[in-house]
Amino acid sequence: DAGVIQSPRHEVTEMGQEVTLRCKPISGHDYLFWYRQTMMRGLELLIYFNNNVPIDDSGMPEDRFSAKMPNASFSTLKIQPSEPRDSAVYFCASSRTGGGQETQYFGPGTRLLVL
Amino acid sequence: AQSVTQPDIHITVSEGASLELRCNYSYGATPYLFWYVQSPGQGLQLLLKYFSGDTLVQGIKGFEAEFKRSQSSFNLRKPSVHWSDAAEYFCAVGAGGNTGKLIFGQGTTLQVKP
Repeated sequence: DAGVIQSPRHEVTEMGQEVTLRCKPISGHDYLFWYRQTMMRGLELLIYFNNNVPIDDSGMPEDRFSAKMPNASFSTLKIQPSEPRDSAVYFCASSRTGGGQETQYFGPGTRLLVL
Repeated sequence: AQSVTQPDIHITVSEGASLELRCNYSYGATPYLFWYVQSPGQGLQLLLKYFSGDTLVQGIKGFEAEFKRSQSSFNLRKPSVHWSDAAEYFCAVGAGGNTGKLIFGQGTTLQVKP
């Protein structure tokens, strides 16, 4: 399997622009997670899906952030409008089930810089 | 609420020396515990995990970790560090139930001196 695929790997944009991050989970995985990593706050879970349905979005920082999973092989995280404080590395991860012992497999991340 | 503390932000060891990275957790029941490694510019990769049974867990790349309930700890060890082990290491605890949610520590950056 190719693993979790994220695109783009790097994104530079100007404040106020819309940003869309994309993720393809591992085939057969029912859970998909979006994380944000910053120096100040470390790794934070933003939202996760089970069978394409959002289960917990309590980590989404503001209404400017939205995430969708239209099918089992694709998810997006959108920021509109973007702000400089959104600059971070965004990771997507997937797991086979939601069991507590399940391994999450991470993508390489998208490094976002908002100017 | 569950939490994870990694007391050491940065550690430097010489190549060939032994390594121990500390992790303390807060959790009401038997936790699911994980160690992940992140190489520069890469995503996180699972090193090992504990959820039941033998409290000494073996992982990839020669790493091991020991679960100590009395100390609420899950320290990561390696007997002899290689230069390629330089990376950031994250301890995580499962948030409980069947959510699959993980709570991560702040990470420990390992530097290896030649």
